[in-house]
Amino acid sequence: QKEVEQNSGPLSVPEGAIASLNCTYSDRGSQSFFWYRQYSGKSPELIMFIYSNGDKEDGRFTAQLNKASQYVSLLIRDSQPSDSATYLCAVNRAETSYDKVIFGPGTSLSVIP
Amino acid sequence: GAVVSQHPSWVICKSGTSVKIECRSLDFQATTMFWYRQFPKQSLMLMATSNEGSKATYEQGVEKDKFLINHASLTLSTLTVTSAHPEDSSFYICSASPDREGSPLHFGNGTRLTVT
Repeated sequence: QKEVEQNSGPLSVPEGAIASLNCTYSDRGSQSFFWYRQYSGKSPELIMFIYSNGDKEDGRFTAQLNKASQYVSLLIRDSQPSDSATYLCAVNRAETSYDKVIFGPGTSLSVIP
Repeated sequence: GAVVSQHPSWVICKSGTSVKIECRSLDFQATTMFWYRQFPKQSLMLMATSNEGSKATYEQGVEKDKFLINHASLTLSTLTVTSAHPEDSSFYICSASPDREGSPLHFGNGTRLTVT
């Protein structure tokens, strides 16, 4: 089982709709969860991070975490064409001296005008 | 804040030569930096963890003698791809976090390496 799994997509949604991105992880010891957005040829940029079970909202973005189910999701409300990108779910893996951050394969999102 | 600068942005080199990539934390100190590699249409794969003042820790399958990492100061880590081959062509990205463990990583702009 891979450490972090995501549906590869592509996920297509019409402009103004809600995009729902899902991620599961295997390490029950993980405590930190991140969503990054990556445009083609560019570095990832942080969208959201969440540490506790439940929902966390920031503008049009809502991250949801369920540690019991080892599941984290990202909802994008009022999707815009500029949201079209690959969304990477990332999870920390605790090591002896420091945490490592492991990325999922990413979900490609396309917002259709 | 929390700016990570990476240089060069892109480099083309001949097979058999070595290439050095620099990663700097501009406004914070980073005892730990991370090097990732990304092939086209694939996700980021952690290559190694760079530790200031000590040896880097490499992920399984990453050749430490081929990818030399030096973290000589709290703001600079370098990755040297030695004896580069075409299969080393990739997007190399460094990252660091200014805060406590588990805090979000901030990424450099990446280096596109093409080996001819």
